[in-house]
Amino acid sequence: AQSVSQHNHHVILSEAASLELGCNYSYGGTVNLFWYVQYPGQHLQLLLKYFSGDPLVKGIKGFEAEFIKSKFSFNLRKPSVQWSDTAEYFCAVKDTDKLIFGTGTRLQVFP
Amino acid sequence: ETGVTQTPRHLVMGMTNKKSLKCEQHLGHNAMYWYKQSAKKPLELMFVYNFKEQTENNSVPSRFSPECPNSSHLFLHLHTLQPEDSALYLCASTPLGLTTGELFFGEGSRLTVL
Repeated sequence: AQSVSQHNHHVILSEAASLELGCNYSYGGTVNLFWYVQYPGQHLQLLLKYFSGDPLVKGIKGFEAEFIKSKFSFNLRKPSVQWSDTAEYFCAVKDTDKLIFGTGTRLQVFP
Repeated sequence: ETGVTQTPRHLVMGMTNKKSLKCEQHLGHNAMYWYKQSAKKPLELMFVYNFKEQTENNSVPSRFSPECPNSSHLFLHLHTLQPEDSALYLCASTPLGLTTGELFFGEGSRLTVL
């Protein structure tokens, strides 16, 4: 079965700092990868996704992620975080008709 | 507003109670899911329904009983739960086959088992 792992459980940053959250997946074949975000008290929502093509994927709110097949990684990045980016971030991989999620990374951004 | 509505938002129950969680989607999707979200654990897939038929039961204990009467409604019936079942239960929907890869989630039902 496919799986993803997120090694950063809790990240604390100041506004304007750069962000990189790690995500590694287990399957060596064709993969569809996702980042979801859950703002405090809100529903999980899609941030960005990779299906094929350009390995650098851009999402909403200035986030991007890079698919590196040789490293089995799909790390999330943002050059300059804002206080409003405080949320929990989940990496996920598609397995037939379902998504398999990681443990999530809690990001706290202080003004 | 995601088009996926879950009720109740909060539920406290004793170990001998019977209660149900409800999920309703207004997006015309044909696939619906139950996930369990616990602190410091991956989101755990519990059940998948496609066109009202259960296509996945991820080794969920029988004290959780899902029901999908139509493509727009999904229930999770709870009976004789344990304190470790306390968690946020998330419902999601998507077009059949997860073709876009996007799941549309509700805001969840926060369950506390005493």
